[in-house]
Amino acid sequence: GAGVSQSPSNKVTEKGKDVELRCDPISGHTALYWYRQSLGQGLEFLIYFQGNSAPDKSGLPSDRFSAERTGGSVSTLTIQRTQQEDSAVYLCASSSVGGREQYFGPGTRLTVT
Amino acid sequence: QQQVKQSPQSLIVQKGGISIINCAYENTAFDYFPWYQQFPGKGPALLIAIRPDVSEKKEGRFTISFNKSAKQFSLHIMDSQPGDSATYFCAASMSTSGTYKYIFGTGTRLKVLA
Repeated sequence: GAGVSQSPSNKVTEKGKDVELRCDPISGHTALYWYRQSLGQGLEFLIYFQGNSAPDKSGLPSDRFSAERTGGSVSTLTIQRTQQEDSAVYLCASSSVGGREQYFGPGTRLTVT
Repeated sequence: QQQVKQSPQSLIVQKGGISIINCAYENTAFDYFPWYQQFPGKGPALLIAIRPDVSEKKEGRFTISFNKSAKQFSLHIMDSQPGDSATYFCAASMSTSGTYKYIFGTGTRLKVLA
């Protein structure tokens, strides 16, 4: 079946602009995660959605970052007033109910100029 | 306490050799330890995973060794091939209010020479 998809694959934006990154999880997966991968760094947890439960936002680095998940499927990560330090690859992953395995999408490479 | 320390940062191995990557953790509440393989421009792909009640798990050429008392685990790639050249990440997770978020190591860039 189809894996996790993300769009756009690349995004170049000017400092101060807002950006939206999209994630389509694997069909039927109820859990959805966003991670950030900075150059030379590991993956950093940002936010987690599980069904209709309140999201775990503990990894969001500032209030410029927000995310929503509509209809329990597609998720959008929004970064407001982008800064150069926001440049990174943003990865989305999904998993099944109670599943520990997370399946990652190809990521969105964000460059803030 | 939430960190996962991974070493080495980079590794060069001859074709047919054994690649070994090590990870260490502090938080004994971690109960699931996956390894991911990432090729340039791609998302990480799950390679193999282990739980702390098992000391070793093998899948094909890939083996995880787990030392609970030392709080360490390692990935062994037997008969390494040029196609194994990629970045490898270890991770750890625990069930915290049902959030199985991963804490990742910083990655190991493996190059297998033909």
